[in-house]
Amino acid sequence: EAGVVQSPRYKIIEKKQPVAFWCNPISGHNTLYWYLQNLGQGPELLIRYENEEAVDDSQLPKDRFSAERLKGVDSTLKIQPAELGDSAVYLCASSLGNGAGELFFGEGSRLTVL
Amino acid sequence: QKEVEQDPGPLSVPEGAIVSLNCTYSNSAFQYFMWYRQYSRKGPELLMYTYSSGNKEDGRFTAQVDKSSKYISLFIRDSQPSDSATYLCAVTMEYGNKLVFGAGTILRVKS
Repeated sequence: EAGVVQSPRYKIIEKKQPVAFWCNPISGHNTLYWYLQNLGQGPELLIRYENEEAVDDSQLPKDRFSAERLKGVDSTLKIQPAELGDSAVYLCASSLGNGAGELFFGEGSRLTVL
Repeated sequence: QKEVEQDPGPLSVPEGAIVSLNCTYSNSAFQYFMWYRQYSRKGPELLMYTYSSGNKEDGRFTAQVDKSSKYISLFIRDSQPSDSATYLCAVTMEYGNKLVFGAGTILRVKS
């Protein structure tokens, strides 16, 4: 069975440009998460979806970040405009929703903003 | 003060050594405790999961939680070069609540 799929794996952009990341969770997983991981740090939650509903987006910087999960399956995270400080790895994870903490992570999208 | 504190290392050990990795947390409301392993340029993968205090063993790995001192540990016996990775502890209050991760400890096992 395929794991969580993310694309692109790597992205280099100039500051003020937009960027989008895509995530396809494990089939049947209702809960989808976007995490931000800075170098040398643990992942930090940006947003959590239960099906198509964003149930926790308190840590998402809404002035420049947006996310959607229109059909309750795959999801897109967008940054517009990107800033130098946005350089990081953006991790997508999914879970069945029937247990605490059993998240399955994708390999991440590594963003470099120049 | 961070909610979860973890020494970033790196921790370098010879093959076959017993490794001890530790985290402390500040909020006594945390009930679920996890250890994730993250290889370079990969996503974290769940190693161990414990509810409340106590020990849990899985092969060469043992997770230990002491809620009275807010201290969680991961022990790796007979460490192998393939264990070289970053180990992240994570805590959460209840199902559906967000995971709070430590910064991760870099482990290097030398052959």
